[in-house]
Parts: sequence; C-alpha cells; structure tokens
Amino acid sequence: EDQVTQSPEALRLQEGESSSLNCSYTVSGLRGLFWYRQDPGKGPEFLFTLYSAGEEKEKERLKATLTKKESFLHITAPKPEDSATYLCAVQARNYGGSQGNLIFGKGTKLSVKP
Amino acid sequence: KAGVTQTPRYLIKTRGQQVTLSCSPISGHRSVSWYQQTPGQGLQFLFEYFSETQRNKGNFPGRFSGRQFSNSRSEMNVSTLELGDSALYLCASSLWQGPTGELFFGEGSRLTVL
Repeated sequence: EDQVTQSPEALRLQEGESSSLNCSYTVSGLRGLFWYRQDPGKGPEFLFTLYSAGEEKEKERLKATLTKKESFLHITAPKPEDSATYLCAVQARNYGGSQGNLIFGKGTKLSVKP
Repeated sequence: KAGVTQTPRYLIKTRGQQVTLSCSPISGHRSVSWYQQTPGQGLQFLFEYFSETQRNKGNFPGRFSGRQFSNSRSEMNVSTLELGDSALYLCASSLWQGPTGELFFGEGSRLTVL
C-alpha cells in the first residue's frame, strides 16, 4: 500500500536555528514527490516538486532533497514567518492520468520562536 | 488572478442530513480535485474531475459524490451525514499539463456534523 510518513509531528525552533523535516514514502513507482505549506485556516500552498533521486530544489530558506526512500525539507536560519505545517505528498506511477490524486503525509507542524 | 473559491466556508449540519459544497477553480484551470482533511487522517483524496468527467476516485463510500459543470466549477455532495464526516473539505484546481503535483487549493469548507 502506498503511504507517506512524516517526522517529527511537531518541531519547535528558535529563530536562526536550522533543521530538517523528514518524509519517508513507500509507493509502487514514484511519479513525483511534492512539498506543500499550510497555514492555519488556509489551504495548502505548493512549494516544490521532485521527480528523481538526487534532485534538489531551493526557495528562499527552504531546500528539498530526494532519495529513493525519503525526502528532506531543510530549513536554514528560519524566521517566525516560516511557522506552518509542512506537508509531503507523493504521486504513484499508476496515477491513472489523474492530476490531483496525491497521497499526503500528516505533516510536520513547525513553530519558530523569535 | 483570483484564487480557488469555496463556499460556504463554514456550515453545521445534523446527522442524516445532506450537504452540497461548491468550488470555483482558477480561471483556465480545467481539473478540480477534492480532499477531506481531518486531524486523525490528514488529507485524503476524494475525487477529481476534468471536463465534466470524473477521472479518479478515492476510497470513500458512495455517500460522497461530485460533479463538474461546463465552466469547470465543481460541487461535491455528502448524503446521510455521519459524525465522522466532520472535516475540512478542500478543493484544488490545476492546469491539465501532466502530473506536476502543483495543485492550487482553496481555503476549504469546514463542515461540522452534530
């Protein structure tokens, strides 16, 4: 069964304290792995797509990396505005031509204190 | 460019009733997906529509249904509501350009079943 596990469930950082979030996945052929950010009361906001092992994507203080079994979201020198829940999702090769059929993890709730 | 619009934002129903939720995608987006988000299960895929046709369906009972209109607007319906249907229902739209995983989510409709 395809599934995504994210750890830790919650992470508290001081402003400027770098860390990483983990996303482990098992899927019958990975089509793509995606990171989203969700603020309270809002829908998820797309951050990155990764397609193959070794690929990396960066955006401001965030960098996403991908291996054959997991992905990491590295946060460098975080600021309070980076506080949010970060969601990881995968799409299997047998996605049936469906754009929206993503399997999401339960997320990591990040809190960055000033 | 207007984002994905969902109505209503909040609603309260009682067990046994039915509910209809509406979603207007971003202009030009032809694919609309629906997700259920709960604290225990996270985000779970309900179904996806493209050009008024259901492309894919998640593992939910037949009480959950949807449709898409010619202007790409979509509705989902839940009949015979149960307490466990209390959740945030998210709609996401995307361009039909292959599986990029880049979904644009609305802010959701929060359903409470009493």
